[in-house]
Parts: sequence; structure tokens; C-alpha cells
Amino acid sequence: QSVLTQPPSVSAAPGQKVTISCSGSSSNIGNNYVSWYQQLPGTAPKLLIYENNKRPSGIPDRFSGSKSGTSATLGITGLQTGDEADYYCGTWDSSLRGVFGGGTKLTVL
Amino acid sequence: QVTLRESGPALVKPTQTLTLTCTFSGFSLSTSGMCVSWIRQPPGKALEWLALIDWDDDKYYSTSLKTRLTISKDTSKNQVVLTMTNMDPVDTATYYCARVQTGGHAFDYWGQGTLVTVSS
Repeated sequence: QSVLTQPPSVSAAPGQKVTISCSGSSSNIGNNYVSWYQQLPGTAPKLLIYENNKRPSGIPDRFSGSKSGTSATLGITGLQTGDEADYYCGTWDSSLRGVFGGGTKLTVL
Repeated sequence: QVTLRESGPALVKPTQTLTLTCTFSGFSLSTSGMCVSWIRQPPGKALEWLALIDWDDDKYYSTSLKTRLTISKDTSKNQVVLTMTNMDPVDTATYYCARVQTGGHAFDYWGQGTLVTVSS
């Protein structure tokens, strides 16, 4: 069972917007930055968002992140079939150990 | 260009010790703020963080696995090694190494992963 809680799945039509939530506690999300990862089938995870809302070079602005209290949200606009993947949130706990969410499978209908 | 690559046995027997090596390039683990972490993913399941070593040789371990894990680095070879003792079939997973910068607080570069199967 993962430390951070994500919905198992979300879905939306191409071109639409979707949000993925990530819930934690004061000992992890509440006091640390949140990052988000995209894992396409059969590949390694890829960093999408770091420090709650920053995008690495090359990540389109269709992807956005936010954090409030002990929860974080990933937003994806203008959905494309190529966005179908598993998405994971991650952060650190008070003892500098990494923690991840259980992952959310995005289906673009 | 930052790259990481995991290497190690594809198959281990129960009770054996697993040794994985992460060989990286494009950065130095002697640079302040640089860290390398190990993460695993059982087939069809979520990511699980295992361990981290930083530029100052500080080490951090998963609470549930800390008695079985050892992480170490060889800065001259640009390598980080993870050992996991007393392997069990539930440890079957793809094992990834990833870079972490304390500035970004995220796993910004990942290796391709190596699948380790535990079976007699």
C-alpha cells in the first residue's frame, strides 16, 4: 500500500482536460515539494513536474502542477492519445525517504 | 547529457543476495547536491522507493527494507551499488536507479530499469 493516495484511474476524451489528485499528510506532502512522473507502457518513469509546479525543459505547458496543504494535483489539458500512461506523484518524508503514490492510469477515450 | 544504466543478474534464487550496479555519466556524485536513488516496481504495481546516497556519502533507506539494503558509491567509477539480502519471490521487480538533485527535489533522470526475478 502506497504512502500517497491517487485515484486508480481517470479518463477523458481527446482535447479535454483531466486532473489527477495526490493526497498525503503533514509528514510528507505538507512539508516537502511534490513531483509528478509519466510512465508510458514498458518504459521508465519520466519527470513531468518538480517543486510542485515547475516543468523541466521539453515538457509542454499542457502539463501543470499545484499543491495545497497535504494534497497535490496534476492537470493535463488538450489531451492526446499519446498521453495514455500511468502517472505517479512523489515526495519525501521528514526523514528524507522517498514516497510515491499508487499511480493513476489515464485513458484517453 | 545525463544517462544512468542498471546492471545485475536477471534471476536470483530465494535467500540469495542481490547486487545491482548503477553506472552513470553526465554528472559527478562528488558535486554538492547530487544524489542517486534506487526505486523498484513489481510487475503491474506501483513504484517503491528503496534507498538514496548523496554526494557527502549520507545514506537513506526505506523503513520497511532497511535491514536488507546497503547502498554505496564509487565516485571514481561513477557507480552506485545496491545490495539486497535474503531475496524472496515478492522482491521480483524492475529495479531503477535515478538521479536526484537536492535543488529540484525530484528524480530528474532515470535508467531504463532492470528486471530481477526471484525464483528457485
